Amino acid sequence: QGQLVQSGAELKKPGSSVKVSCKASGDSFKNFVTSWVRQAPGQGFEWMGGIIPLFGTLHYAQQFKGRVKISADSSASISYLDLSNLTPEDTAVYYCARPSDLWSGYSTSDPFDLWGQGTMVTVSS
Amino acid sequence: QSALTQSASVSGSPGQSITMSCTGTTNDVTYSNHVSWYHQHPGKAPKLIIYEVNNRPAGVSHRFSASKSDNTASLTISGLQVEDEGDYYCAAYTTKSHWVFGGGTKVTVL
Repeated sequence: QGQLVQSGAELKKPGSSVKVSCKASGDSFKNFVTSWVRQAPGQGFEWMGGIIPLFGTLHYAQQFKGRVKISADSSASISYLDLSNLTPEDTAVYYCARPSDLWSGYSTSDPFDLWGQGTMVTVSS
Repeated sequence: QSALTQSASVSGSPGQSITMSCTGTTNDVTYSNHVSWYHQHPGKAPKLIIYEVNNRPAGVSHRFSASKSDNTASLTISGLQVEDEGDYYCAAYTTKSHWVFGGGTKVTVL
């Protein structure tokens, strides 16, 4: 069914950038949208955007446009989240999430039954 | 896109049934048949328990059921068990081809 493994925790200064990676196991990486979702301490989830590597199709949530970049390296089955101009309000656990290959693929509306373990990003001076 | 509105908490005794709600707008819950529910234990990644309004993935207990009416989706847990404790989140696919989540409902088993 697959697995998503994310990079480790990050401590960043305000105004800097962070890059988080998410490596997928299995053969279906290119065909399924990988989304990025964050969860601030004690809060709910916030969808940031997603990419379908096969098409390079990108969707970003409006509130992050201009600060976020999602990319994918299909040869290595890795998705990346770049978030710039960090503020303390960006302190959160960042998850990658995607549909497993139980779904047919190519759709941004399939639910997330695969999640990474989460990457804690702390922004503090 | 504003977050979906969920009740903050709900509690029940073992064996009881509880229901929680998720309220959105015409741009998300009303519009979409792609409404999902997730269960999260503290410090863990969430687990998908309902997709497309009222479908359970393989391996998810039949004690979980869900429905939707207009702009409100609901999740019911029957025969409440201790392992059902945690936070529950709804999510809906929007008219902008984005996902929006609720703020979560904390379930406590008394």
